[in-house]
Amino acid sequence: DIQLTQSPSTLSASVGDRVTITCRASQSVTKWLAWYQQKPGKAPTLLIYKASTLQSGVPSRFSGSGSGTEFTLTISSLQPDDFATYYCQQYHSYIYSFGQGTKLEIK
Amino acid sequence: QVQLVESGGGLVNPGGSLRLSCVASGFSYSDYFMSWVRQAPGKGLEWISYISGRDSTMYYADSVKGRFTISRDNARNSLYLQMNGLRADDTAVYYCARAAAGLDYWGQGTLVAVSS
Repeated sequence: DIQLTQSPSTLSASVGDRVTITCRASQSVTKWLAWYQQKPGKAPTLLIYKASTLQSGVPSRFSGSGSGTEFTLTISSLQPDDFATYYCQQYHSYIYSFGQGTKLEIK
Repeated sequence: QVQLVESGGGLVNPGGSLRLSCVASGFSYSDYFMSWVRQAPGKGLEWISYISGRDSTMYYADSVKGRFTISRDNARNSLYLQMNGLRADDTAVYYCARAAAGLDYWGQGTLVAVSS
């Protein structure tokens, strides 16, 4: 099965900062990677699919890049609503998997 | 608009069974794969199963294989998860999600608690 490792696990940042979260796969997932945002007590929401395609309605300050085994999620200018937990997920394999999550906290 | 509504969660004894349901609306249900994802209290997301739209091909995570069964009824726009042999570590919020490019729509979740 494909393992996904996110870094960092926790990230402290301020409003207006540019932040990057990394997701590394144990084997190539080509471009079949998605990113989600989850707030406490709520279901996750899809931000990006196919590594770099922005889901409809998601602000353009979110962007994704990468292919193969290394991927990044970047938020260009943090807004108060962005403090949440972020997960990557691969759907290259028939057996899907998620990264362990990155909690984005207010500094 | 797309809506997914789960039900069927609750408190169950170890070794017991439970059947979760998810009713879909707002899209052509039979055209889409559907998935179950769970989240234990204070933990991350864990994908557990998905099922194809028409031929009902199914896949499972190792953690639930042989104990859980995913199924769907396209006439009722419904997705199910039959959970047998429940253990304490199955305690989680269970979400159904539509599998398109990624998991693009999610339900609100239903809580399953396994405890004596």
